[in-house]
Amino acid sequence: QSVLTQPPSVSAAPGQKVTISCSGSGPNLGNNYASWFQHLPGRPPKLLIYDNNKRPLGIPDRFSASKSYTSVTLAITGLQTGDEADYYCGTWDTSLDAWVFGGGTKLTVL
Amino acid sequence: EVHLVESGGGLVQPGGSLRLSCAASGFTFSTYWMSWIRQAPGKGLEWLANIHDDGRETYYADSVRGRFTISRDNAEDSLYLQMNTLTAGDTAIYYCARHILYQWTPSDWGQGTLVTVSS
Repeated sequence: QSVLTQPPSVSAAPGQKVTISCSGSGPNLGNNYASWFQHLPGRPPKLLIYDNNKRPLGIPDRFSASKSYTSVTLAITGLQTGDEADYYCGTWDTSLDAWVFGGGTKLTVL
Repeated sequence: EVHLVESGGGLVQPGGSLRLSCAASGFTFSTYWMSWIRQAPGKGLEWLANIHDDGRETYYADSVRGRFTISRDNAEDSLYLQMNTLTAGDTAIYYCARHILYQWTPSDWGQGTLVTVSS
């Protein structure tokens, strides 16, 4: 059981928008910044979002995120087949003194 | 360019030990916190441990505390993970990752090294 809860899967058509939710609690998302990672098969995970809604250099603005206290949401617009991957939210948990990941969400671009 | 290369993975028997290494280049290693993270077959990402820039502060996941030890050699630009009392449940790809400067977030990841625990 992950401390952060994500839906196991989401799907949408190319060109459409999809959102992935991540729900936590006070000691983790309530008190700390959220991050999002993209994990393509056979590749190392890639940081997509940090500090709730900031994009590292090179991440397109098709990827965005928002936060509402203990929940965060990743939005991907203009879906491409290359976006098919597993997406993970993550944050520091102050009560566990540990970094925690969500269980991951598999995105299928139909 | 940030470059992280893990090594030391392989096949080990249950109850055995293994030491993973992560060679860093392209940045001032001694300035950054670092983490080890793994992914077991068919499972999600699992954070294991992190270590602060000077090595004096470390944190562990409950699943590995007491069995795994994270360490670093800033003179050699290297990160390590000593893994003891390994079980089949430790079979995974192990990644080292550099954090965002002075933050908890792992930002740059190596390609990973596979550890298989089996008799």
